[in-house]
Order: sequence, then C-alpha cells, then structure tokens
Amino acid sequence: SAVISQKPSRDICQRGTSLTIQCQVDSQVTMMFWYRQQPGQSLTLIATANQGSEATYESGFVIDKFPISRPNLTFSTLTVSNMSPEDSSIYLCSVAGFLNEAFFGQGTRLTVV
Amino acid sequence: SQQGEEDPQALSIQEGENATMNCSYKTSINNLQWYRQNSGRGLVHLILIRSNEREKHSGRLRVTLDTSKKSSSLLITASRAADTASYFCATDAGDNNDMRFGAGTRLTVKP
Repeated sequence: SAVISQKPSRDICQRGTSLTIQCQVDSQVTMMFWYRQQPGQSLTLIATANQGSEATYESGFVIDKFPISRPNLTFSTLTVSNMSPEDSSIYLCSVAGFLNEAFFGQGTRLTVV
Repeated sequence: SQQGEEDPQALSIQEGENATMNCSYKTSINNLQWYRQNSGRGLVHLILIRSNEREKHSGRLRVTLDTSKKSSSLLITASRAADTASYFCATDAGDNNDMRFGAGTRLTVKP
C-alpha cells in the first residue's frame, strides 16, 4: 500500500486568492490523480498528473483554474486559483496501487469566504 | 464525470444487522472497487473485484458483481457502530486507473 501525505489538511481562504495543495507519496508512482468532493457529494476526478508531461483535465476543469505540477514521481501539487465560495470542497490526491486499487490522501478541506 | 449510481442514498440499521448497498454503472469496466469514508476524511479502500469475478469476500464484507446488469452490491454482515460511514463504489474503465465514483450510501449503524 502507498502512504500519501497531503497538506494542508484544511484552510479557510479569502475569495480571489489561490491555494496550493501538496501531495507526497512514499513510493514512486507514474500517475497521480486529483479529485474534488463538494459538500455532500461524491468524488469527481479533476485531472491526472503524469511526471514529465502536462496534466490531463476532465471535462469541466481547466488548467488556468486548477494548475497542477508534477516535478517528480513522488510529489504533486494542485492549485485552486482565483477562488470563489463555489470552490469550497474537499480536495483529494490519489495514486493507483499494484493491484489497481486507489489510495487516497486524507484530503484538504477548503472553505472560501 | 460520475459513472455509478448507488442505492440506497442513506441506510440506517441496528447493530448486528446486515447492510446491503448497491451500485450500478454504465460502461464496461476493468474492475470495481468499494471505499469507505468516515465523515470528512480520506477514503479507505475496502475491496476490489475484477470484471471476470462474480463474488469476493473480505472479513465481514461480501461484494458481488454482475457485469450483465452492470451492477454490484456490498454486504456488511453483523454490522457495528464503527461501520457508520459513507460507502462509495468506483469503477476503473480505462488504461489510466482513474476512478469514477458513485454518489455513495450513507450508512448509520445504531448501537
């Protein structure tokens, strides 16, 4: 199993500002995934982050709003830019295990005021 | 985009009873997984069932998969108060291992 550390665990931010969320994995992984979970909802995939190439975004998510970095095989960041209250969610990073199961960080609970 | 639909949306049972949650999906899959999420926390992987498997057990958990009906069920036997959580199914349909999640079932087990 993979151990994923995500920071910060929670934050309260002013609208119009940006927040960068960090995700550290204890082993090298090819792909990392970023999800959003809006209040009371299920998870929605934002993008897939590959090391050495641009992230692949799902429909409804764009790079300008959610820029992603993947500088090496154990680390990734997701930035939520120009935040509005609608961005208040839990953001989770995830990696695929050897048996294709997904492992998740504890999530970042973001509140935009 | 969401792939699965889960029912019921909420389930409340007494400790010791069995809980059954269902999940349906729309496209062909490589595997289907069930996760638990305690309130506001990260997801915990429970069990993975591959598309060529029909049933799988893990402790008090039993998962079935019917690919002809594109549906799965999660059974928790002899439930405990600590089983109170949201349960999500997720499907893996592509080559990238990106998961598509159902809406989840909120399970409450009363002591």
